[in-house]
Amino acid sequence: SQTIHQWPATLVQPVGSPLSLECTVEGTSNPNLYWYRQAAGRGLQLLFYSVGIGQISSEVPQNLSASRPQDRQFILSSKKLLLSDSGFYLCAWNRGGNEKLFFGSGTQLSVL
Amino acid sequence: AQSVTQPDIHITVSEGASLELRCNYSYGATPYLFWYVQSPGQGLQLLLKYFSGDTLVQGIKGFEAEFKRSQSSFNLRKPSVHWSDAAEYFCAVGEDGNKLVFGAGTILRVKS
Repeated sequence: SQTIHQWPATLVQPVGSPLSLECTVEGTSNPNLYWYRQAAGRGLQLLFYSVGIGQISSEVPQNLSASRPQDRQFILSSKKLLLSDSGFYLCAWNRGGNEKLFFGSGTQLSVL
Repeated sequence: AQSVTQPDIHITVSEGASLELRCNYSYGATPYLFWYVQSPGQGLQLLLKYFSGDTLVQGIKGFEAEFKRSQSSFNLRKPSVHWSDAAEYFCAVGEDGNKLVFGAGTILRVKS
């Protein structure tokens, strides 16, 4: 069966520090991978999605970047965190555009 | 711990018929409740949210949801379904800007 792992669950980082959140999927190949963020008052925003290794689409301009170094690994990064990067980050996957979506457990990021 | 149950994995309705998608939650305090939709080939879109106040919440695309504390429910409704409403719908509970817990989703099929 397929599983999705996302870590860490919580993270407190100072302003200006780097960020790396990791998401991995098991039990499937060539998944579509997604990074979402929930920020206060704005619901869930799609940040990045990827349909294959090295293929990243960015939905909103921001201080973050994403990479997909392996088929089932999706990494969210920042070189220098801002206060506004605080929020809840969620990784998700599916097999294609109209297939069922599965979520990771999320990362609560606090930038202080 | 927070949890969300969407008891219906699939629902099929005829175009023009009414729709109700069920959502039950478990949460220790007054919850923040959300309904999201994932349409084929697109990211999650926020349909509506409940934080406080009027328990009947109006959302986009003609959807509404009613918060019933006594039943721990937040069911999504639409009086007349359109073919373009075919998608996967997710109920979520959490705090604005903080951790969200999603239900497993309900796939809606619309037959003409």
